[in-house]
Amino acid sequence: DTEVTQTPKHLVMGMTNKKSLKCEQHMGHRAMYWYKQKAKKPPELMFVYSYEKLSINESVPSRFSPECPNSSLLNLHLHALQPEDSALYLCASSQDLGRTNTGELFFGEGSRLTVL
Amino acid sequence: AQSVAQPEDQVNVAEGNPLTVKCTYSVSGNPYLFWYVQYPNRGLQFLLKYITGDNLVKGSYGFEAEFNKSQTSFHLKKPSALVSDSALYFCAVRDNTNAGKSTFGDGTTLTVKP
Repeated sequence: DTEVTQTPKHLVMGMTNKKSLKCEQHMGHRAMYWYKQKAKKPPELMFVYSYEKLSINESVPSRFSPECPNSSLLNLHLHALQPEDSALYLCASSQDLGRTNTGELFFGEGSRLTVL
Repeated sequence: AQSVAQPEDQVNVAEGNPLTVKCTYSVSGNPYLFWYVQYPNRGLQFLLKYITGDNLVKGSYGFEAEFNKSQTSFHLKKPSALVSDSALYFCAVRDNTNAGKSTFGDGTTLTVKP
């Protein structure tokens, strides 16, 4: 069982809708990540938060808006998405981003998003 | 810059036979190397890592991986494959100065037949 919980597991939305994906971890990790994964492809990094501050934004379109309300929660707000944004969105966490941290990632089960 | 290559899209083995899933890497600093497994409709699960020390590292579910610095490889191995090992396997690398940015290989689909 994963210790990173993502909701919802499935989401269908129209291009004009606003929705949010949620992620929660209780491992005491201080780094949290959003990845996008297309079928049978590697995950693509979108955002990284470190100690609740945005640390990395991989030039993601502004229709994706991340939020880290506290050290355990990570949200991804979605607005005006395109059909090509349909994918599995994975949340992950790691201990932190310090150089002494080995950096293995712990993933949630993902939220499968379909944009109509 | 860092990169990972998994030269095989697909690996097929018979149950009970040994398996190897190949991975080569390129980093500018000292490599941190990882293997992850993804079962259908699931997230990725961490299997094992190499940071420093012994070149042979052991991980979950009986998997192990051998770090070879001269060949810049980190192949995943298991002495006796199970049907339940069938999944998508990703190798990942980051250098010790690039916190937060692991680079993943394209993945190798392992199929173990009874």
